[in-house]
Amino acid sequence: DSGVTQTPKHLITATGQRVTLRCSPRSGDLSVYWYQQSLDQGLQFLIQYYNGEERAKGNILERFSAQQFPDLHSELNLSSLELGDSALYFCASSVAGTVTDTQYFGPGTRLTVL
Amino acid sequence: GENVEQHPSTLSVQEGDSAVIKCTYSDSASNYFPWYKQELGKGPQLIIDIRSNVGEKKDQRIAVTLNKTAKHFSLHITETQPEDSAVYFCAAREGQGFSFIFGKGTRLLVKP
Repeated sequence: DSGVTQTPKHLITATGQRVTLRCSPRSGDLSVYWYQQSLDQGLQFLIQYYNGEERAKGNILERFSAQQFPDLHSELNLSSLELGDSALYFCASSVAGTVTDTQYFGPGTRLTVL
Repeated sequence: GENVEQHPSTLSVQEGDSAVIKCTYSDSASNYFPWYKQELGKGPQLIIDIRSNVGEKKDQRIAVTLNKTAKHFSLHITETQPEDSAVYFCAAREGQGFSFIFGKGTRLLVKP
């Protein structure tokens, strides 16, 4: 158990819908990261937050957005969902958000778009 | 931008044998390379990492080597055990930024 929690575990929805994925980092970690893992694209970095502020952006679509709240939990919002958005979404956290910080991954949320 | 190639995509070894997974990267500015292990139904877990000022790093049965000139790095697992069976991902820091590019993964199967 990494100490990172993600809810829900599974999510099934329809095209065009909007969903919110939630992540609670390990106690004491200030930085959270979001990743997408799919069979064709592999593991892709989406976005990083540090203490409530966006720090780095990867291949995140404009239909996706995220935020980190004052209690340090984070939410990833996916809107206008398409079939191709079906994937595993992982949240990770680290202490200080530096590049060489160990990132601890949560168990993931499996999103299925029908 | 950065591109990371990982080979092989699948690797099957007998328990006790060694396993080697290789990755190449394209951005010569990359200076940090972590390796992750992902077991079925779980998120990736960092197992070892290497910085560009080091050529080799070992941690018990796991070692990573880096050749900056050739822009490739490798994961070596010795005395493999069935519990080493998992998918392994290499990654390279994207330039001087905070993000990483990941290889496509290697599915390692250790047969008892």
